[in-house]
Amino acid sequence: DAKTTQPTSMDCAEGRAANLPCNHSTISGNEYVYWYRQIHSQGPQYIIHGLKNNETNEMASLIITEDRKSSTLILPHATLRDTAVYYCIAPSRTNQGGKLIFGQGTELSVKP
Amino acid sequence: GAVVSQHPSRVICKSGTSVKIECRSLDFQATTMFWYRQFPKQSLMLMATSNEGSKATYEQGVEKDKFLINHASLTLSTLTVTSAHPEDSSFYICSALATGSDNQPQHFGDGTRLSIL
Repeated sequence: DAKTTQPTSMDCAEGRAANLPCNHSTISGNEYVYWYRQIHSQGPQYIIHGLKNNETNEMASLIITEDRKSSTLILPHATLRDTAVYYCIAPSRTNQGGKLIFGQGTELSVKP
Repeated sequence: GAVVSQHPSRVICKSGTSVKIECRSLDFQATTMFWYRQFPKQSLMLMATSNEGSKATYEQGVEKDKFLINHASLTLSTLTVTSAHPEDSSFYICSALATGSDNQPQHFGDGTRLSIL
């Protein structure tokens, strides 16, 4: 897996955009970037993933830099329910079937 | 779609007993499932990769005789914690990868909180 680096914690005001950065400077050309989040005492929830192009779905947008060494997850209008730990993962395509290795993630606190 | 159900959600039992946790993919087939463990204030730690019809692959340091994994069908994997002791108390989480889903995401269950007295 490519090593990923994320800030330990971030705060965001309710209703504002939350921009969560992730550095993955050792990523290989065919490794996707996946984002998951874990709300307290629940299993991780898939958010979005991408390879080269920016991606958007009903939950978030993913902006990947042209050199693919970093990405940003954007929650356009954060709500209190978005408070969670957000994980950025770039699993190796050759790592025995796509297992995910979780780092410490970013603890996002959305405040009223 | 892509729902993974884990059962039970919580279990409390005495030291020395064995506990079975089930992980089911409800609306898709999963050749591969994964089992994780999470201690308080820590990240998820991968324990093993479960493959339908074959032996599980365990991560370094995880005792295969302690944590028995069975993946007998494309929609069910089970983790049995044998002779559980208080140090096995943890949050156990499974995930499933849809068959033939190259680069598609894993989907996770809601976890099982195991407390050994």
